[in-house]
Amino acid sequence: AQSVTQPDIHITVSEGASLELRCNYSYGATPYLFWYVQSPGQGLQLLLKYFSGDTLVQGIKGFEAEFKRSQSSFNLRKPSVHWSDAAEYFCAVGSGNTGKLIFGQGTTLQVKP
Amino acid sequence: EAQVTQNPRYLITVTGKKLTVTCSQNMNHEYMSWYRQDPGLGLRQIYYSMNVEVTDKGDVPEGYKVSRKEKRNFPLILESPSPNQTSLYFCASSLPGLHEQFFGPGTRLTVL
Repeated sequence: AQSVTQPDIHITVSEGASLELRCNYSYGATPYLFWYVQSPGQGLQLLLKYFSGDTLVQGIKGFEAEFKRSQSSFNLRKPSVHWSDAAEYFCAVGSGNTGKLIFGQGTTLQVKP
Repeated sequence: EAQVTQNPRYLITVTGKKLTVTCSQNMNHEYMSWYRQDPGLGLRQIYYSMNVEVTDKGDVPEGYKVSRKEKRNFPLILESPSPNQTSLYFCASSLPGLHEQFFGPGTRLTVL
């Protein structure tokens, strides 16, 4: 069955430090992969997506993610975190042709000043 | 502005009192979906709709109903809410297939 695992429930980094949020997926075919961010009290905003092609994808707000098929991973990275990046981050995989997204459990990012 | 709207944003109700959460999108998207978000579980799909009059169950449909009479609207109906339906609900829409899904702001529902 398709699934997404985000191993880190909570991560704390200092402002200006680099960030990597982990995402592992289980999916039989070529996956469509997404990262969404949810700021407190807000809906979900798409950061970036991978459908095919270049395995390093760039997103909004300075985020990037790398698709590694051999590791079934789609980790999210940012070289220098800003206090405004504190939020909850969700990795998701597109399932079948229904448009359904399967989400990971989410990772809460806290940014220390 | 392209957006998905949900109403109400916050709702406190009692067990068994029927309620409807509305969802509307102005992007002419065929696909719409409802998710619930619970701590530690991420978002789980409740129902989805591929087009007008076409709906199907997601992963957690029990206790919910939907309808899709117009392309822009996709209301979520709880005929007899129970406390285990206390959650944060999101509506989303997209073009057909696995395109980016646009999410509404969420509806926080508490069932006492």
